[in-house]
Amino acid sequence: NAGVMQNPRHLVRRRGQEARLRCSPMKGHSHVYWYRQLPEEGLKFMVYLQKENIIDESGMPKERFSAEFPKEGPSILRIQQVVRGDSAAYFCASSQGGTDTQYFGPGTRLTVL
Amino acid sequence: AQSVTQLGSHVSVSEGALVLLRCNYSSSVPPYLFWYVQYPNQGLQLLLKYTTGATLVKGINGFEAEFKKSETSFHLTKPSAHMSDAAEYFCAVSDTTGGFKTIFGAGTRLFVKA
Repeated sequence: NAGVMQNPRHLVRRRGQEARLRCSPMKGHSHVYWYRQLPEEGLKFMVYLQKENIIDESGMPKERFSAEFPKEGPSILRIQQVVRGDSAAYFCASSQGGTDTQYFGPGTRLTVL
Repeated sequence: AQSVTQLGSHVSVSEGALVLLRCNYSSSVPPYLFWYVQYPNQGLQLLLKYTTGATLVKGINGFEAEFKKSETSFHLTKPSAHMSDAAEYFCAVSDTTGGFKTIFGAGTRLFVKA
């Protein structure tokens, strides 16, 4: 799972600012998933993307959150106008195909002041 | 809808003792089942997975799990705990019909006493 890269590892934002989290999948993987982990809780699915397509965003909050996985470059999870409740660890995972094992990155820990 | 219940948010065992972490799932379709381990400030590492076939699945670090459809369980075991096993363990289920969204349990933190 060392192949999935996430940056930054730690991100501090003030309320109202924007947060951009990046995920580079493992080489050869074209499927990306984003999860959020609140303190003392398990991971909650947010969104599943393939290159240039959002496949399932049923776990994404309706407002302020968006995700993309462009043809070139990393997948981006964008949170606009952050609030304290957005403080969490955000994990990205990638897989070769839609039914294959997901490999996780080290996560980005977002703190909203 | 799918769901996962992990019984016991904290489990403590002595070094060398049996490790048993319990997981029950709910799924309306044949599930894929997983156990992941998370060390502090790190991502999740796959321990083992069940898709089809043999119901006893062996994973890394000496862990294994048995899929019991009648009990809707997928408990994780290891015969002899090691100090390095201390971590958070997550059971997860996904939908085999596509849209590989994975549902995670709340996690069980394993403590290993010397």
